[in-house]
Amino acid sequence: AQRVTQPEKLLSVFKGAPVELKCNYSYSGSPELFWYVQYSRQRLQLLLRHISRESIKGFTADLNKGETSFHLKKPFAQEEDSAMYYCALSGGGSARQLTFGSGTQLTVLP
Amino acid sequence: DTGVSQDPRHKITKRGQNVTFRCDPISEHNRLYWYRQTLGQGPEFLTYFQNEAQLEKSRLLSDRFSAERPKGSFSTLEIQRTEQGDSAMYLCASSAKRGASGSRSYEQYFGPGTRLTVT
Repeated sequence: AQRVTQPEKLLSVFKGAPVELKCNYSYSGSPELFWYVQYSRQRLQLLLRHISRESIKGFTADLNKGETSFHLKKPFAQEEDSAMYYCALSGGGSARQLTFGSGTQLTVLP
Repeated sequence: DTGVSQDPRHKITKRGQNVTFRCDPISEHNRLYWYRQTLGQGPEFLTYFQNEAQLEKSRLLSDRFSAERPKGSFSTLEIQRTEQGDSAMYLCASSAKRGASGSRSYEQYFGPGTRLTVT
């Protein structure tokens, strides 16, 4: 069975401070990991995926297979980063459906 | 708007009534997914279509739920004899393999969702 855990439901940081949103997963094979973001009154959208190894809006995430983690990081948070963030896993198979964590609401304070 | 669209955006119904939701995926996407999201939780997978074929269903999808995707285009999700526990946001997503209009391999694009309230 595949599972994604986001231990923090709420996270507040001040503008300019570093931010880290934690994500741990459980999966026996080689998963594909994603971060999705949902801004207020907008639809869920992909932020980044581990395969791309890219930085989007200053955010990065590294897949650590040893610790089964995929934490999302940004060195200097901005107020526009305030949103709900979901970590998701795709475990292969033909469907490639996503298993989501319960989400972390990030608030960046001025 | 070339994104995934869903209709209606909100639905209030009485317990025991049937409801049907519609999803229009991005036109060149052959894969379509339905998810359900309850308060405080992330989306949970319900079912998956590749073209018109329904290839996978979650155990969350009880017998009261049925989904179709005629002709591999839009999809409908019907809930019969609704219960209060069916109250949730129902999300649709579509994807395509790499190369279709520049979309990334299996990246899922989500619609705005249909919020169902069963009274």
